[in-house]
Amino acid sequence: DIQMTQSPSSLSASVGDRITITCQANQDISNYLNWYQQRPGKAPRLLIYDASNLAVGVPSRFSGRGSGTDFTFTISSLQPEDIATYYCQQYDTLPVTFGGGTQVEIK
Amino acid sequence: QVHLVQSGSEVKRPGASVKVSCQASGYTFTDFGISWVRQAPGQGLEWLGWVSAYNGDSSYAQRFRDRVTMTTDTYTTTAYMELRSLRFDDTAIYYCGRSEPTVVTHFDHWGQGTLVIVSS
Repeated sequence: DIQMTQSPSSLSASVGDRITITCQANQDISNYLNWYQQRPGKAPRLLIYDASNLAVGVPSRFSGRGSGTDFTFTISSLQPEDIATYYCQQYDTLPVTFGGGTQVEIK
Repeated sequence: QVHLVQSGSEVKRPGASVKVSCQASGYTFTDFGISWVRQAPGQGLEWLGWVSAYNGDSSYAQRFRDRVTMTTDTYTTTAYMELRSLRFDDTAIYYCGRSEPTVVTHFDHWGQGTLVIVSS
């Protein structure tokens, strides 16, 4: 199975800060990488698909980039409603696998 | 709009089976597939498998292959996930997510989750 390593596992930032989460695959997955947001007690929500495409209805402060093995996810200006855990997910090779998650908190 | 509505919580004994449903609305059911993802308490996300409502194809993660079955009913636009020989570590929230019809890519809509508790 393809291993997805996310970092950091948690972070704390102020409202308005720019934050970046990284996701590394242990083999080349091209751009077959998605990002999800999971608020506490809720189902995941698709934010970014195919590494850099914004899903429908997702605010433009969210972005993603990368290809191959290294990917980044950025929130350009952190908002209180962004408190959540964020997961990357690869679909290059089955089984689909997820990163371990990054918990984002407000300082 | 797209809705995926899952069945209610379940409590099962070790060794039993559970069947979770996911009723879809707001889109053409047979144009997509459904994946199933679970989340153990305080843990991350784990993909169990995918079933196509388009052609009935399915693909399961190796570790579940011998005890999971995923099906769809195109008349009721409902997907099902049955997990057999339940163990304590199968306790989790089980989510359905809409997928592509012939390949697994991203999950653009999710059900609300079904809590399955395995307890003696």
